Amino acid sequence: NAGVTQTPKFQVLKTGQSMTLQCAQDMNHNSMYWYRQDPGMGLRLIYYSASEGTTDKGEVPNGYNVSRLNKREFSLRLESAAPSQTSVYFCASSEPVAGNTIYFGEGSWLTVV
Amino acid sequence: AQSVTQLDSHVSVSEGTPVLLRCNYSSSYSPSLFWYVQHPNKGLQLLLKYTSAATLVKGINGFEAEFKKSETSFHLTKPSAHMSDAAEYFCVVSSTGTASKLTFGTGTRLQVTL
Repeated sequence: NAGVTQTPKFQVLKTGQSMTLQCAQDMNHNSMYWYRQDPGMGLRLIYYSASEGTTDKGEVPNGYNVSRLNKREFSLRLESAAPSQTSVYFCASSEPVAGNTIYFGEGSWLTVV
Repeated sequence: AQSVTQLDSHVSVSEGTPVLLRCNYSSSYSPSLFWYVQHPNKGLQLLLKYTSAATLVKGINGFEAEFKKSETSFHLTKPSAHMSDAAEYFCVVSSTGTASKLTFGTGTRLQVTL
């Protein structure tokens, strides 16, 4: 079972470069999320999409854009990468009902130099 | 508004001894509460969740947690630690009426020694 798949797993960028993190889920979930994980700070929500065709800002949206391409796919774009965006990024999906389990991908390690 | 406080950033136990990872929460609504585990360089895996049913929740790998509304706590326990339990554990709260937005604690790293 694939679940939530994100690519790439590792990436090194130079400051100012752009890149897109891809995410796809095969559980037919309506909601998808992007989180970043930094040491000592848990996971923080960047953007989420409650359903296909909608996106909303989370706690730390600055410097990022998202696209909900279809029900399966939700991409995260860094237009001009900064060292402060060095982090581990997690995509996740769920049904938008409180208490429903959110399923996470394996993570993407991004380093901006 | 909601928040989660994990009271210990690091816990060390000997193999075969009990595990206690502490979590307090704050929520304006009836919360759903989760514990997730993250092994090194891996994604997050759900251990267990509370969604207003039984207050004692059993999860995978012998873990359980008790929801105590009066103490606003959701501590994670296991009777006997195993080396494979060494990981980072996150307590998470989700409020009702939203698109399942989660608020994470800062994590507790569990070390298991021989």
